Amino acid sequence: ILNVEQSPQSLHVQEGDSTNFTCSFPSSNFYALHWYRWETAKSPEALFVMTLNGDEKKKGRISATLNTKEGYSYLYIKGSQPEDSATYLCAFLFRSTLGRLYFGRGTQLTVWP
Amino acid sequence: NAGVTQTPKFQVLKTGQSMTLQCAQDMNHEYMSWYRQDPGMGLRLIHYSVGAGITDQGEVPNGYNVSRSTTEDFPLRLLSAAPSQTSVYFCASSFRDRAIGAQETQYFGPGTRLLVL
Repeated sequence: ILNVEQSPQSLHVQEGDSTNFTCSFPSSNFYALHWYRWETAKSPEALFVMTLNGDEKKKGRISATLNTKEGYSYLYIKGSQPEDSATYLCAFLFRSTLGRLYFGRGTQLTVWP
Repeated sequence: NAGVTQTPKFQVLKTGQSMTLQCAQDMNHEYMSWYRQDPGMGLRLIHYSVGAGITDQGEVPNGYNVSRSTTEDFPLRLLSAAPSQTSVYFCASSFRDRAIGAQETQYFGPGTRLLVL
């Protein structure tokens, strides 16, 4: 079973703090790396899909970078707000395997007002 | 479009009972998957399908069966429910088409909460 590692497992920050999480994945046979936001009692929703080495994606205060050669992606949140509290999942896809995503266990972010 | 729908929303079973969790999507997606959510474990893949008539096992397939007779439907069967199968189950669909930048983004259903006593 392939390991997609996320760190830290959980994070507690104050409103206004900036924070970042890491996703590590295999550097070979890379196809795509996904980030999802998962709020309590809801379904995961896609944030970013990243495919090229050096990709940088941004949505509001949230951004992500991708390094496929060394096998990691960073998710950044600038000026965290309580509504950013959620679990952030990353998922890896192999080029040679269709339809099967490998999810990390997620980083649970809590932003205190 | 309704997207991905799941029924039932909640279910309580007794140990040994069988049941089917329904999943349907109206987006004509080729790929469908079943995940379970457990505390501290994130999402774990149970089974997935890359098209009608094609299914494969994921990370935690034991105790579950699937079939994919149509593109739209992907039911998950619990053969003989056990307390260890108490969980929230998510169905998801996706497709891959590099030409239009579709890279298998997962569209998740609302989930089914299952309690096995």
